[in-house]
Amino acid sequence: QVQLVQSGAEVKNPGASVKVSCKVSGYSLIELSMVWVRQAPGIGLEWMGGFEDGEKIYAQKLQGRVTMTEDTSTDTAYMELSSLRSEDTALYYCAIGTYFFDSWGQGTLVTVSS
Amino acid sequence: EIVLTQSPGTLSLSPGERATLSCRASQSLSSVYLAWYQQKPGQAPRLLIFNASSRATGIPDRFSGSGSGTDFTLTISRLEPEDFAVYYCQQYGSSPYTFGQGTKLEIK
Repeated sequence: QVQLVQSGAEVKNPGASVKVSCKVSGYSLIELSMVWVRQAPGIGLEWMGGFEDGEKIYAQKLQGRVTMTEDTSTDTAYMELSSLRSEDTALYYCAIGTYFFDSWGQGTLVTVSS
Repeated sequence: EIVLTQSPGTLSLSPGERATLSCRASQSLSSVYLAWYQQKPGQAPRLLIFNASSRATGIPDRFSGSGSGTDFTLTISRLEPEDFAVYYCQQYGSSPYTFGQGTKLEIK
């Protein structure tokens, strides 16, 4: 059974970048498709990016600011978001799946505040 | 981008009752590319249904999904106390893979 453990909460200034990690256990990351989903306070879920036809794709509204990477030697996935704004304050989840997502990390709270 | 609209926003029912949750897409999904998730406070979402009607591993058979095109339904046949939560639909017919705004199922 796959388990996903994410890095801890972050507080960032506007304009800064944040990098969230997601450690996979129970499977090799190379066997899996990882996506990132965020949830702003009191708001619903927003898909940020993942894979389609083997290619990495990102939500258009985040294009140029979000980068998803993987370190297969440590089975760890990363999501980096740059030029942070107050509206990026949210709980960030990694999850497994290409189209629907059947295993989730515990979430990482990113707070953007001056 | 496909917009998913869930209704009702809040549903108040008692344990043992039947719950019917709706999800409407702004354009027809290319197939039955719709999933349902349950989220409880302080927890990550949990996959319940994929491909509109297939139950995920370990999901009780009181949960069922139906629909195609633009109209989809999640039915919980007899509510258990642990079923009171927020439910989201999600389409994967075309990217970006969008979610509905959620239906809160609360105890009456």
